[in-house]
Amino acid sequence: DAKTTQPPSMDCAEGRAANLPCNHSTISGNEYVYWYRQIHSQGPQYIIHGLKNNETNEMASLIITEDRKSSTLILPHATLRDTAVYYCIVRVATGSSNTGKLIFGQGTTLQVKP
Amino acid sequence: DVKVTQSSRYLVKRTGEKVFLECVQDMDHENMFWYRQDPGLGLRLIYFSYDVKMKEKGDIPEGYSVSREKKERFSLILESASTNQTSMYLCASRGDRKTNQPQHFGDGTRLSIL
Repeated sequence: DAKTTQPPSMDCAEGRAANLPCNHSTISGNEYVYWYRQIHSQGPQYIIHGLKNNETNEMASLIITEDRKSSTLILPHATLRDTAVYYCIVRVATGSSNTGKLIFGQGTTLQVKP
Repeated sequence: DVKVTQSSRYLVKRTGEKVFLECVQDMDHENMFWYRQDPGLGLRLIYFSYDVKMKEKGDIPEGYSVSREKKERFSLILESASTNQTSMYLCASRGDRKTNQPQHFGDGTRLSIL
C-alpha cells in the first residue's frame, strides 16, 4: 500500500491561501490521491481527488507533481470554518470486489487564525 | 449531495448487550463501509458490502457482524458489547466499484460501552 506523509500541523491567516503538502513517493500508476478533512466530532468530509492532472472544485484545488510523488491541496481563501484535520490518502484495492478501503494517516491539523 | 445518515450521534450501552448501529444512504450506492476511529490508530475498516446481502471482512471484524438486506441500509452489530468496543463508528458509501469515486461518510456514532 502506498503511504503518505504530511506535516502534523500548519497555521494559516484567515483570507489567505492554505497550501497543504503531501508526499506519496511509492504511489503506483493507477492509484488516485484523495483529500478529506475532519472537523472535531464529525465524520470525514470528502474534498477532492485526482490521478495526475490538476483538479479544482468549489472547495479546493489539487496540484499533483509530474512524477506523482507529491501533491498540494490549496484552499484559496481560508476561513475559520476550515480549521480541521486534513488527510491525504492514496486509494488501495482490497478483496475480490475492488471496493478500495481508505487508509487514513495522522493528517495535518490546519489552524486558521483571525 | 450525497447523504449518509447514521441513526445515533451518541450511544451508551452496557457490557454484554447486543448493539445495533444503523446507516442509510440516499444515493443508490453499491458499496458501503463500517470503520471505527480511535485516537492514535486512525480509521480501521471493520466490514464492507458491495451489494445487497454481500459482505466482506475488513481489518478488524472480530466481535462484529453486519447486515445488508436493502441497498440503502447497512447495519453494524456488536453481538456482545465489550468495553474495548468503545469508539467512534463511521459509516461510508461509494458508487460504482469499478471507478475511483470517493467514499462519503456519515457524521459518526460515538459509542460508549460501560
